[in-house]
Amino acid sequence: DAKTTQPPSMDCAEGRAANLPCNHSTISGNEYVYWYRQIHSQGPQYIIHGLKNNETNEMASLIITEDRKSSTLILPHATLRDTAVYYCIVRGRSGNTPLVFGKGTRLSVIA
Amino acid sequence: GAVVSQHPSRVICKSGTSVKIECRSLDFQATTMFWYRQFPKQSLMLMATSNEGSKATYEQGVEKDKFLINHASLTLSTLTVTSAHPEDSSFYICSASPPSAGYTDTQYFGPGTRLTVL
Repeated sequence: DAKTTQPPSMDCAEGRAANLPCNHSTISGNEYVYWYRQIHSQGPQYIIHGLKNNETNEMASLIITEDRKSSTLILPHATLRDTAVYYCIVRGRSGNTPLVFGKGTRLSVIA
Repeated sequence: GAVVSQHPSRVICKSGTSVKIECRSLDFQATTMFWYRQFPKQSLMLMATSNEGSKATYEQGVEKDKFLINHASLTLSTLTVTSAHPEDSSFYICSASPPSAGYTDTQYFGPGTRLTVL
């Protein structure tokens, strides 16, 4: 079973920041937080991941609370192409461990 | 990021036939690949772990004799759906991780294969 809880859906106005929350209260010390998104009828796309520090890349920023029990993915300037299902996943260190997907958050960016 | 491809992207077949889906890591070698399937309006569900040079590991409820997995090289894993039936119609997706010296390995996904069984 997925170890994360996300709201089922969110709306965001185009050009505004999209803040997607994720609760992972049972995360263990060696587990990372990963974010992926899936645009309709495509394979999931990696966005970002982190352990305990905030992370930023060209796609998004990841803010992890100090107790690591929750995190927020931030898309700074959402566009219509960011409309997708966003998955927050916790996973251990090994690349040979599969990702377990929950239901994710369906983000709709509105013009 | 690393590139994973799948072929075919879409296949339609008659009930009772077998269908082979290929998953390739284009710019890296992968000792492990994963196969998922996704039914409409549902999330991805892990089917099996494909290990190069050894037998695949299947998740509970996934029939190993129906979903044959072969990982014959470090860049190719195949999933064969044998004697396909309409209930096997789904979106099949593979993933793989590039080997790295770091202690986190990001998984990259293929574009998926849409299987429709008539």
